[in-house]
Amino acid sequence: AQSVTQLDSQVPVFEEAPVELRCNYSSSVSVYLFWYVQYPNQGLQLLLKYLSGSTLVKGINGFEAEFNKSQTSFHLRKPSVHISDTAEYFCAVVSSASKIIFGSGTRLSIRP
Amino acid sequence: NAGVTQTPKFQVLKTGQSMTLQCAQDMNHEYMSWYRQDPGMGLRLIHYSVGAGITDQGEVPNGYNVSRSTTEDFPLRLLSAAPSQTSVYFCASSPGWGQGGNQPQHFGDGTRLSIL
Repeated sequence: AQSVTQLDSQVPVFEEAPVELRCNYSSSVSVYLFWYVQYPNQGLQLLLKYLSGSTLVKGINGFEAEFNKSQTSFHLRKPSVHISDTAEYFCAVVSSASKIIFGSGTRLSIRP
Repeated sequence: NAGVTQTPKFQVLKTGQSMTLQCAQDMNHEYMSWYRQDPGMGLRLIHYSVGAGITDQGEVPNGYNVSRSTTEDFPLRLLSAAPSQTSVYFCASSPGWGQGGNQPQHFGDGTRLSIL
């Protein structure tokens, strides 16, 4: 069975500092990987996705993620965060013919 | 460009009452699903549908019913509300599942449901 683990429930960072949100998954087959962002009182929006090809994926709002098959990870990074990045971030995985599984979420808080 | 529309946005029920959460999408998406979001637990799949007339259970289906009579609509019914069903409910859609799930989900803004 597949699973997704987001290692940090909360990540506080200062504005303009870099940030990394960690995501690890387990699956015995090849997977598709997604990062979603949820702003307060809203639904989830797609940040980026990895389907195949280049392991470095660029998304919206300056975020990027790197797929590491050997470490079964898909960490999300941004070199310089802004107050507007305050949100909850969800990693999700789906394998062929399987349902999508979401991680428990990481709450990113930006300090001025 | 409405996307996925959920109604109502907020609802308070008493234990034992029934109600229907509405979900409609205008993107002609085949795949629709319902999730519940609880603190520290991420999103858990309740029911999903791969097309009109076809539904299936997700991870936490007990206490909920769904139907899919049209491509656009996918209502979620609570048969007899219980306090454990207090949660935020999200409906989502995607173009299809035929390619093995590589299509991103489009989410509504959620329904915040409290059961007293």
